Amino acid sequence: DAGVIQSPRHEVTEMGQEVTLRCKPISGHDYLFWYRQTMMRGLELLIYFNNNVPIDDSGMPEDRFSAKMPNASFSTLKIQPSEPRDSAVYFCASSSLAGGGSYEQYFGPGTRLTVT
Amino acid sequence: AQSVTQLDSHVSVSEGTPVLLRCNYSSSYSPSLFWYVQHPNKGLQLLLKYTSAATLVKGINGFEAEFKKSETSFHLTKPSAHMSDAAEYFCVVTLRMDTGRRALTFGSGTRLQVQP
Repeated sequence: DAGVIQSPRHEVTEMGQEVTLRCKPISGHDYLFWYRQTMMRGLELLIYFNNNVPIDDSGMPEDRFSAKMPNASFSTLKIQPSEPRDSAVYFCASSSLAGGGSYEQYFGPGTRLTVT
Repeated sequence: AQSVTQLDSHVSVSEGTPVLLRCNYSSSYSPSLFWYVQHPNKGLQLLLKYTSAATLVKGINGFEAEFKKSETSFHLTKPSAHMSDAAEYFCVVTLRMDTGRRALTFGSGTRLQVQP
């Protein structure tokens, strides 16, 4: 398997612009997670899905952030409008409990977002 | 409520000497516990996991961890450090609360430096 795929790997945008981050989970995984990592706040869970349904979005910082999972193989995290304080590395991860799975998550390489 | 505490934000060892990265957790339920490693500008990689089987867990790259319920600890060890072990390490506790809901808690991370 190719692992979790994220795109783009790097994104530089101006304040006020819309940003869309994309994630393809590992085939067969039924959980998908979005995280944000910064030096100041460390690794934060933003939202997670189970079977394409958002289960917990309490980590989403504000209404400018939204996430969707239209099908089992694709998810997006959108920021509109973007602000400089959104600059961070955004990770997507997936996992599965099938076959006695044990909750471990497999992370993508991340998207480094810079908002100027 | 659950929490995870990594007792050291930075650890520095000499190459060839033992590594000890400390992690304590609190949980009202039987948790699953993990250690992840993050090399600079990379995603998180699973090192090892504990899921209520053997209390001594062996992972990749010679790392191992021991689950001690009486001490609520899950410390990560390696007998002999290698330069390539320099990275940030995260202790994670996760458990299933209700159907479809999971609580995930990341530690704040420990940066391991390996001196030649």
